Amino acid sequence: GAGVSQSPSNKVTEKGKDVELRCDPISGHTALYWYRQSLGQGLEFLIYFQGNSAPDKSGLPSDRFSAERTGGSVSTLTIQRTQQEDSAVYLCASSSGQGNAKNIQYFGAGTRLSVL
Amino acid sequence: LAKTTQPISMDSYEGQEVNITCSHNNIATNDYITWYQQFPSQGPRFIIQGYKTKVTNEVASLFIPADRKSSTLSLPRVSLSDTAVYYCLVGDPSGNTGKLIFGQGTTLQVKP
Repeated sequence: GAGVSQSPSNKVTEKGKDVELRCDPISGHTALYWYRQSLGQGLEFLIYFQGNSAPDKSGLPSDRFSAERTGGSVSTLTIQRTQQEDSAVYLCASSSGQGNAKNIQYFGAGTRLSVL
Repeated sequence: LAKTTQPISMDSYEGQEVNITCSHNNIATNDYITWYQQFPSQGPRFIIQGYKTKVTNEVASLFIPADRKSSTLSLPRVSLSDTAVYYCLVGDPSGNTGKLIFGQGTTLQVKP
């Protein structure tokens, strides 16, 4: 596709439920990132994929958070037993992962998660 | 990753040139300086990246002095649509991850 696509755009769930957020990166981009942005705050790094591998999971806030990437393309971020503090906008980005372009990331519009 | 410091907010008027300065005293030799723009309810958008001296593209210019401890993003003749949050980041793109560390950014308000 032309850009990074995320779905759903909005998700409302009840505390304790599991949610899955999906990201379709730009075709051919080997690097994929998940970030989280709370209201009025900057972005918080969650996890990085290079291909299907996740060499950096350092930003995942707890073991309730997990992510996978298949076929070097689509990625899914799963949050188990959601809590109210998980409410935020979850942003996905991709880049070519090559040289200086690694810092040039293309972001999707995000998934706004609300945990009631 | 080097920490950056930038003003929390700035005001400007349409047609003016806006300069946003970012301090990064602990920048490392391999670090690049990258600026992003974010509109409400959207993901950040890459604006410009540089290593030293001056870089210019169709959107902005980036000025980096010789010591690289600061950088200035210059937006020529801003319009109302340039109202957004601007983030300055430094990082080594040759590093293992290339993950970006976002600070609070500078909220630019352009007035008519």
